[in-house]
Amino acid sequence: DVKVTQSSRYLVKRTGEKVFLECVQDMDHENMFWYRQDPGLGLRLIYFSYDVKMKEKGDIPEGYSVSREKKERFSLILESASTNQTSMYLCASSLVRRNYGYTFGSGTRLTVV
Amino acid sequence: AQSVSQHNHHVILSEAASLELGCNYSYGGTVNLFWYVQYPGQHLQLLLKYFSGDPLVKGIKGFEAEFIKSKFSFNLRKPSVQWSDTAEYFCAVKGGGGGADGLTFGKGTHLIIQP
Repeated sequence: DVKVTQSSRYLVKRTGEKVFLECVQDMDHENMFWYRQDPGLGLRLIYFSYDVKMKEKGDIPEGYSVSREKKERFSLILESASTNQTSMYLCASSLVRRNYGYTFGSGTRLTVV
Repeated sequence: AQSVSQHNHHVILSEAASLELGCNYSYGGTVNLFWYVQYPGQHLQLLLKYFSGDPLVKGIKGFEAEFIKSKFSFNLRKPSVQWSDTAEYFCAVKGGGGGADGLTFGKGTHLIIQP
């Protein structure tokens, strides 16, 4: 089974802090994604990456950046955390040109105080 | 841009009732369609997917979905629900051209099954 591992299950950070959310997948997937999940809003795509050092903005990239220095690792960075970034963050990965769904991690619940 | 609309945000059913959760999408080209489920405290899991072929797709745990191209719909069904089906259900769409584009999700339907 493909595993997508997010380093923290729960995080509490202060407003203005720089926050790193880490995601690692173990099946050599080319594509990796960061979503945030909010009640009543579903999942919204923040950023995705289709190769090492490549990144594309999703639907809500403002206030976030990403880093993909190695194929298996995709980091989400909140440059200066704000309370409206309190959310559940989900990482996912998939293979290019393979017809199956994406595999999601367990999520990181971030609270910004 | 593609979008997904799920008709009901909350659904409450009794055990053994039949279930149908609505999903409509807007996208001009070939689509890949998915239903995901998130049980309380757990990560998202794929229930079923449609890429091509038979529009009636069978998934895990007795779920099925029917792709109706003329209606831009991909409704999820189960003939007899169980208490363990209590979860959040998400419909998602991806353009069918391959590549890395992310999935576009609906806002989710929170399903509660009463024993």
